[in-house]
Amino acid sequence: EPEVTQTPSHQVTQMGQEVILRCVPISNHLYFYWYRQILGQKVEFLVSFYNNEISEKSEIFDDQFSVERPDGSNFTLKIRSTKLEDSAMYFCASRVGTGHNQPQHFGDGTRLSIL
Amino acid sequence: GESVGLHLPTLSVQEGDNSIINCAYSNSASDYFIWYKQESGKGPQFIIDIRSNMDKRQGQRVTVLLNKTVKHLSLQIAATQPGDSAVYFCAEVYNQGGKLIFGQGTELSVKP
Repeated sequence: EPEVTQTPSHQVTQMGQEVILRCVPISNHLYFYWYRQILGQKVEFLVSFYNNEISEKSEIFDDQFSVERPDGSNFTLKIRSTKLEDSAMYFCASRVGTGHNQPQHFGDGTRLSIL
Repeated sequence: GESVGLHLPTLSVQEGDNSIINCAYSNSASDYFIWYKQESGKGPQFIIDIRSNMDKRQGQRVTVLLNKTVKHLSLQIAATQPGDSAVYFCAEVYNQGGKLIFGQGTELSVKP
């Protein structure tokens, strides 16, 4: 069964450094998402991406965050200058895109630890 | 405001019993709902979904019930197994972009 894959599984970064989290969505999917989950809390929406542009973003997704689909398979989340509070699990998700009432499928996440 | 909440943060059941996990949502414009299962160290795994034009949908050992009048969603798991132990999240969608609004999660623990 096709799946969303994320790398790395764990990223440790010094505060103030840039970090790039990588995702390979399911190949025929058209909508892509990033979510984060702080330890013990619920999953929070960050950004949605469709047709090579951001379609919606949350208040969390400030100008330190950016997303990119550099080629036909990868979808990346960049944090330019990381803060301690960016420590969380980051999940990528994708859906096929034939309608908003289609489920999103998630990867297993990247654990980001900011020191 | 945007909120999807769960009535019970933890649920402990005996193996073989049925489990019921509840969820309240606040946005009456939401028209699509999904239940996800999250095991430790993994991402949310799709279990079952339901559209707002339905009030019940069944899968393999799982049933989702939707009551739009009181904005309530439930997940029923039949003959609960140890492998069902996980955190269960409900999520709602109300716009074309498909942004998911997640609830807090219920931890289901199955005792052998």
